[in-house]
Amino acid sequence: QSVLTQPPSASGTPGQRVTISCSGRSSSIGSNYVFWYQQFPGTAPKLLIYNDDQRPSGVPDRFSGSKSGTSASLAISGLRSEDEADYYCASWDDTLSGVLFGGGTKLTVL
Amino acid sequence: QVQLQESGPGLVKPSQTLSLTCSVSGGSITSGDYYWSWIRQPPGKGLEWIGYIFYGGSTYYNPSLKGRVTISVDASKNHFSLNLTSVTAADTAVYFCARDLSGWGRFHFWGQGTTVTVSS
Repeated sequence: QSVLTQPPSASGTPGQRVTISCSGRSSSIGSNYVFWYQQFPGTAPKLLIYNDDQRPSGVPDRFSGSKSGTSASLAISGLRSEDEADYYCASWDDTLSGVLFGGGTKLTVL
Repeated sequence: QVQLQESGPGLVKPSQTLSLTCSVSGGSITSGDYYWSWIRQPPGKGLEWIGYIFYGGSTYYNPSLKGRVTISVDASKNHFSLNLTSVTAADTAVYFCARDLSGWGRFHFWGQGTTVTVSS
């Protein structure tokens, strides 16, 4: 049912900058905020980015979010091995009247 | 610091009702403009929003659950609950409770999750 589309996988080497995309539609990303979550195996997700590009306190500034039209991106600069995790985007959808999650992107640090 | 803890049966038979509770500590469930939410994650798959309740009565549910879901609040016990009826194997998942600050998907506090298996 996911109508927020993310690449299933992404990778990079330590120190690199990687981006993860999230594509939606006018009723979701196009008119509502985007949120990003980081999840390690066996644990609950953690809020990384809220309101498109804001970081909660405690989240390193290596993580940044952006949005343009019906697409959003999460960028991670200065990649570290501990960034290896699953990343999910989320947004409200006005048509469905509910929160949508992207399918998730597994980030591998080579 | 608010903490959330899910509890409930780990095994439910097909066609029966899945019932979970999320206990809230470190704050009152009646204070603030928060949306008390349930989210699930089938094994090896992504996250799925189930729904939320705003204290005062408003509820929103995932349309894909086709009227099987009810979320309620018990302020006297400082907890909220999930009932999912007519379960099938497709409802097997880790179920998380979370607090949404905005009502739009800003889940800033999460429980650790509880695994529910639907099997006879």
